[in-house]
Amino acid sequence: GAGVSQSPSNKVTEKGKDVELRCDPISGHTALYWYRQSLGQGLEFLIYFQGNSAPDKSGLPSDRFSAERTGGSVSTLTIQRTQQEDSAVYLCASSLSWAGAEQYFGPGTRLTVT
Amino acid sequence: AQSVTQPDIHITVSEGASLELRCNYSYGATPYLFWYVQSPGQGLQLLLKYFSGDTLVQGIKGFEAEFKRSQSSFNLRKPSVHWSDAAEYFCAVGPSGGGSQGNLIFGKGTKLSVKP
Repeated sequence: GAGVSQSPSNKVTEKGKDVELRCDPISGHTALYWYRQSLGQGLEFLIYFQGNSAPDKSGLPSDRFSAERTGGSVSTLTIQRTQQEDSAVYLCASSLSWAGAEQYFGPGTRLTVT
Repeated sequence: AQSVTQPDIHITVSEGASLELRCNYSYGATPYLFWYVQSPGQGLQLLLKYFSGDTLVQGIKGFEAEFKRSQSSFNLRKPSVHWSDAAEYFCAVGPSGGGSQGNLIFGKGTKLSVKP
């Protein structure tokens, strides 16, 4: 079946602009996660959604970052007033439940802030 | 604090040689443990996972890993490496029980190069 998809695959933006990154999880997966992968830094948790519960935003690095998940499916990660340090690969993952279940990852969006 | 350590940033092995990638974790309780692989420009693919039971788990592509509670380790092994195994490997831990945190905590990865 279809896996997790993300769009765009690459995004180049100027410093100070806002960007939106999209994630389509696997159908039926109730949990959705956003991670950031920076060069040499591994994967950093940003935010996760589980069903209709309030999202866990504890990993968001600043208030310039926000995310929403509409209808329990598609999610959008928004970065306002982008900075050069926001340049990274943003990965989305989904799973059937949150309790340590296997997470399936999308191919990522490579964001470059110039 | 919860953390995952992969001591080796980069490893080079010859094709056909055996491989062991190290992973140590710090976690408040017995976690769920995972190994993921990432090929260049690709997302992460799950190799194997440990939840409970037999401490030696088998995964895809001929990989296996052993959970050692006393050493807080979950090392990944393969008896004979293939050139196609060249990639970056990530160890991760996740919660095994109730609570609000569902995210995985990842190590910084080990890049594997394979010599012909």
